[in-house]
Amino acid sequence: DTEVTQTPKHLVMGMTNKKSLKCEQHMGHRAMYWYKQKAKKPPELMFVYSYEKLSINESVPSRFSPECPNSSLLNLHLHALQPEDSALYLCASSQDPRGEQYFGPGTRLTVT
Amino acid sequence: AQSVTQPDIHITVSEGASLELRCNYSYGATPYLFWYVQSPGQGLQLLLKYFSGDTLVQGIKGFEAEFKRSQSSFNLRKPSVHWSDAAEYFCAVATTFSGGYNKLIFGAGTRLAVHP
Repeated sequence: DTEVTQTPKHLVMGMTNKKSLKCEQHMGHRAMYWYKQKAKKPPELMFVYSYEKLSINESVPSRFSPECPNSSLLNLHLHALQPEDSALYLCASSQDPRGEQYFGPGTRLTVT
Repeated sequence: AQSVTQPDIHITVSEGASLELRCNYSYGATPYLFWYVQSPGQGLQLLLKYFSGDTLVQGIKGFEAEFKRSQSSFNLRKPSVHWSDAAEYFCAVATTFSGGYNKLIFGAGTRLAVHP
């Protein structure tokens, strides 16, 4: 089973809202990732968690706040977003920080 | 700096025809290479990977890829394309941060259209 799940599938939020994206995997993977993908572009790495600790932050604005409550869950808290933050947000996981990454279906975020 | 080039932005093939998608990479050491496929509005699905060993790699859905170090290439092939193969295909190379963490560097993608 190589399934990564993400909720919600779609999210529309205003610039003053606070919302969260959720990602879950039950494969025992110890590394989890958040990516942002704009239309017709490849995914761009945002954050890497390894063994539940934030390992990499790719200079992401503080309006995006990741959280890893346990080894199976990864959240992305959103606050005061801008319209240009509208994108497909993808979660991925890997067995360890050097393994191949398996992606979830994504959350389509629209900021109005 | 590490990079991945997919020279073809758009490819159209007829159903049943063979397919080759090109990928060239720039990486100093032995690369970890991947091909992913993405249907519209969906996540990325791993088709195959190359870490070491046999340079011809078999993947899911009848795809294969060949690693050619001398050409810095990792081209994806399929002998007979099905209409359901229409999607965006991304080649990626893993670059390693200090601390052993991998970051995927993606190519720009190739959009495959399949004519009936």
